[in-house]
Amino acid sequence: ELKVEQNPLFLSMQEGKNYTIYCNYSTTSDRLYWYRQDPGKSLESLFVLLSNGAVKQEGRLMASLDTKARLSTLHITAAVHDLSATYFCAPSTSYGKLTFGQGTILTVHP
Amino acid sequence: DVKVTQSSRYLVKRTGEKVFLECVQDMDHENMFWYRQDPGLGLRLIYFSYDVKMKEKGDIPEGYSVSREKKERFSLILESASTNQTSMYLCASSYIEGTGGNEQFFGPGTRLTVL
Repeated sequence: ELKVEQNPLFLSMQEGKNYTIYCNYSTTSDRLYWYRQDPGKSLESLFVLLSNGAVKQEGRLMASLDTKARLSTLHITAAVHDLSATYFCAPSTSYGKLTFGQGTILTVHP
Repeated sequence: DVKVTQSSRYLVKRTGEKVFLECVQDMDHENMFWYRQDPGLGLRLIYFSYDVKMKEKGDIPEGYSVSREKKERFSLILESASTNQTSMYLCASSYIEGTGGNEQFFGPGTRLTVL
């Protein structure tokens, strides 16, 4: 059974600072997704990482995947208030199933 | 754009009632999923379906059943609602792409309260 752990679960950041969210998973997976959820809203896909060493960037967010270490990271550069949300990582298993981490609640304050 | 819709945003039911949650997608996706979301637990898979009339149990199927009579529609049924089924329910759909799957697109969610 695939288990996923995100770290940290709560992140309070100052605007302009950098930080990284970590996602560890327990068994082999051929791809990993990052999702964002705003309060009261549904999940929105941010990135899909398809292979070892994959790196994707969108604005102030950059995601990477190390399949050997079973680790993905989501790096935040120069945080702004608009990035406040809950972020989930989700490695894929068979038949398109995803196993979600607990989520990291990010709050960016002035 | 992919659109996944759910029949209700908010629902209040009484213990013991039979509850139906409906999900419809308009992108001809083969896969459909039902999750529940609870604080600190992330999303947990209840059931999924990879074809019409096909269903597979997820991680927490107890107390739930599903129905998929048409490709675009996937229903979650709570046979006899209990208070511990109070939660946010999210439906998602995706294409099949080999065995690794593909991006899941989510509906807006139904917040169910069982009194």
